[in-house]
Amino acid sequence: DQQVKQNSPSLSVQEGRISILNCDYTNSMFDYFLWYKKYPAEGPTFLISISSIKDKNEDGRFTVFLNKSAKHLSLHIVPSQPGDSAVYFCAANKGGKLIFGQGTELSVKP
Amino acid sequence: DARVTQTPRHKVTEMGQEVTMRCQPILGHNTVFWYRQTMMQGLELLAYFRNRAPLDDSGMPKDRFSAEMPDATLATLKIQPSEPRDSAVYFCASGLALTSGHTDTQYFGPGTRLTVL
Repeated sequence: DQQVKQNSPSLSVQEGRISILNCDYTNSMFDYFLWYKKYPAEGPTFLISISSIKDKNEDGRFTVFLNKSAKHLSLHIVPSQPGDSAVYFCAANKGGKLIFGQGTELSVKP
Repeated sequence: DARVTQTPRHKVTEMGQEVTMRCQPILGHNTVFWYRQTMMQGLELLAYFRNRAPLDDSGMPKDRFSAEMPDATLATLKIQPSEPRDSAVYFCASGLALTSGHTDTQYFGPGTRLTVL
């Protein structure tokens, strides 16, 4: 039972354009959501989070949007840079545990 | 530069052998998590500890996996006997549990890549 889903395994974007990564969840009890970024041969690193009581959180080039009625969140990266190429995981918190999506591999082409 | 460390980084073993993976959490963190990453399942939580006590190990195959925290600076994940289907990257993460029970950001180690032949 996949409670957090990232339906796009990969995404390719031109440098300077917007990257939009999507994530859907099924459990309305999740109280906050996070995005992690992972480079090959490294562990995931925290990128940005959002509480379930908010609908937007922004940090520099990264913005996360939460639509609770649709149980959907998205990560916007603008402008995209080649160094953003990585696997992005969304995660949802429930009782101190994180449940991760499958990941989306973002490729930003120069 | 505080970080989570994991040893070994790579492990190749034969089916039936015992495997022990070690993790040193960030000093001061009181919550430790073990995850497994596979192509099929993505990142799945195996077990986690708070203040060295196991809180949840429901994601772990109980018959062959065990996780412990002998002290606050060391967490171990053991597989005995190992099987080819255990081949994966195993990540340890640590964080600081807040009084609300909510855990602050989790910091991941570099992972142990396990191959069971």
